[in-house]
Amino acid sequence: QKEVEQNSGPLSVPEGAIASLNCTYSDRGSQSFFWYRQYSGKSPELIMFIYSNGDKEDGRFTAQLNKASQYVSLLIRDSQPSDSATYLCASRDSNYQLIWGAGTKLIIKP
Amino acid sequence: NAGVTQTPKFQVLKTGQSMTLQCAQDMNHNSMYWYRQDPGMGLRLIYYSASEGTTDKGEVPNGYNVSRLNKREFSLRLESAAPSQTSVYFCASDRPDRGFNQPQHFGDGTRLSIL
Repeated sequence: QKEVEQNSGPLSVPEGAIASLNCTYSDRGSQSFFWYRQYSGKSPELIMFIYSNGDKEDGRFTAQLNKASQYVSLLIRDSQPSDSATYLCASRDSNYQLIWGAGTKLIIKP
Repeated sequence: NAGVTQTPKFQVLKTGQSMTLQCAQDMNHNSMYWYRQDPGMGLRLIYYSASEGTTDKGEVPNGYNVSRLNKREFSLRLESAAPSQTSVYFCASDRPDRGFNQPQHFGDGTRLSIL
């Protein structure tokens, strides 16, 4: 069974520090990977996606993909209290299905 | 551009009652999905529709039925609601035919309580 695994947290990070969120996936045929942010009581919203090995940067966010290790991460630089949320990782398999992780709860301490 | 619209936003039902959750998207997406999310848990796929006229079961289909009314609309029906169906329901849509990098777009959710 295809799985995406995330540490449920909570991950507590001081304001201004780098938050590092990790995700592993079981299906080597996964084609692309997505990070979503979900505030309490709200719907998931897309932060960014990545499909090539290496880093992809968008503002304070950097996604990292290592296909050999089947590992995806999201770095948030200069963390702000507004970044406190649950972060969902998802992989898209070769059949175009999205496989979701359970999410990591991030808390940014002022 | 409204994106994905879900109705209602909140609903309280009694055990055994039926209801239909509505979802519509205006992004010309081919595929639509219904998820449930229980407290502290991730998204679990109930049903999906890869294209107009087709529907398929997801991970947790029992107790639910769906209808893909047209390309825009995808409804979820609870025929006889049970307390175990208390959850937040999200509808999503995407266009995977455009490639693997197409993200899913979500509605605001329906918060459903079964007493």
